[in-house]
Amino acid sequence: DQQVKQNSPSLSVQEGRISILNCDYTNSMFDYFLWYKKYPAEGPTFLISISSIKDKNEDGRFTVFLNKSAKHLSLHIVPSQPGDSAVYFCAAKRGAQKLVFGQGTRLTINP
Amino acid sequence: SAVISQKPSRDICQRGTSLTIQCQVDSQVTMMFWYRQQPGQSLTLIATANQGSEATYESGFVIDKFPISRPNLTFSTLTVSNMSPEDSSIYLCSVGDRRTEAFFGQGTRLTVV
Repeated sequence: DQQVKQNSPSLSVQEGRISILNCDYTNSMFDYFLWYKKYPAEGPTFLISISSIKDKNEDGRFTVFLNKSAKHLSLHIVPSQPGDSAVYFCAAKRGAQKLVFGQGTRLTINP
Repeated sequence: SAVISQKPSRDICQRGTSLTIQCQVDSQVTMMFWYRQQPGQSLTLIATANQGSEATYESGFVIDKFPISRPNLTFSTLTVSNMSPEDSSIYLCSVGDRRTEAFFGQGTRLTVV
């Protein structure tokens, strides 16, 4: 049972434009959501998170939106830069329980 | 944020052998976790390494295959035992507390031939 899904395995965006990565979840008890970025041969790096009591969290070029009624969250990167090319994982958790990860979306920023 | 050192970074092993992966954290942490990322797949939690007691394994993972040690609050090891090609994956150590984001080591890329 895949509780966290990233339905787009890959995304290609032109440099300077907005990148939007999407994530859906099925467990309404999740109360904390995170995005990670992963480069080849490195571990995932935490990017940004959001609590279920919020619907938006912004950190520089990165904004995460949470739509609880739709059980959907998205990561917006604007403007997109070549260094943003990586695999992005969304993850969710309930309280102190384990993180559940999506399958990842490979983002490619084209010059 | 915690700094996590994981080694080896990669290894190629013969089937039937075992490999022990080490994870060292630069500060004391309550919870340490071991993940596996199979090719093209998501990160899957193997177990939670508990200091002073047995690890807590997730469904589908057993202690005989993935024995874990956690001798103190800054160090843990994961052993992949009696390896087969299906064990070829990236293995990741992670630390985190109840409601904070998790931090990951750089991973160990294991290839079993």
